[in-house]
Amino acid sequence: NAGVTQTPKFRILKIGQSMTLQCAQDMNHNYMYWYRQDPGMGLKLIYYSVGAGITDKGEVPNGYNVSRSTTEDFPLRLELAAPSQTSVYFCASSYPLAGGPENEQFFGPGTRLTVL
Amino acid sequence: QQQVKQSPQSLIVQKGGISIINCAYENTAFDYFPWYQQFPGKGPALLIAIRPDVSEKKEGRFTISFNKSAKQFSLHIMDSQPGDSATYFCAASLINYQLIWGAGTKLIIKP
Repeated sequence: NAGVTQTPKFRILKIGQSMTLQCAQDMNHNYMYWYRQDPGMGLKLIYYSVGAGITDKGEVPNGYNVSRSTTEDFPLRLELAAPSQTSVYFCASSYPLAGGPENEQFFGPGTRLTVL
Repeated sequence: QQQVKQSPQSLIVQKGGISIINCAYENTAFDYFPWYQQFPGKGPALLIAIRPDVSEKKEGRFTISFNKSAKQFSLHIMDSQPGDSATYFCAASLINYQLIWGAGTKLIIKP
């Protein structure tokens, strides 16, 4: 199993450009997440999905969009990139067990994005 | 109320010593408290987790201590090793499985 894969690993964007960060998982997990990680700030949830066709906003959704057409893929779209979106972006997936709060999230290697 | 406060920001421990990282929360609706470990250039990975109805959980050299009345929990790493050098994040889970993360602690174990 490849686990959670993300592409690209690095990207430099100019202000106002758009791009899509790709995320895929091969573990048949129903939950998927997008986080951004800024130095000294921990991880902030951008969007999450509980299954194909279902997405919801997290703490910091402004400037981003997602879609979930299949169980495996969960792309993150940045429209009109701004310097404030310079960050490391992590995709994660999980399969919470019914009846309990346990929910191990499995993370991809991250995408380092710089907006200049 | 949705915050998880983590301290210290950074920590240096001698090899063989005990590393202690603390977290505090306000929201009593949190029902699951994991700790994640992150090495440079990698995504976080689950290290150990605890439910609020348990006061302590131990897995090898790693122990979570949980104080429900004080709304605090901590990670103890016994016999700390250079390979434990990483950034550690505490987190707390809401009923919909969303995680609220602490800011992280960069741990350095000196040989």
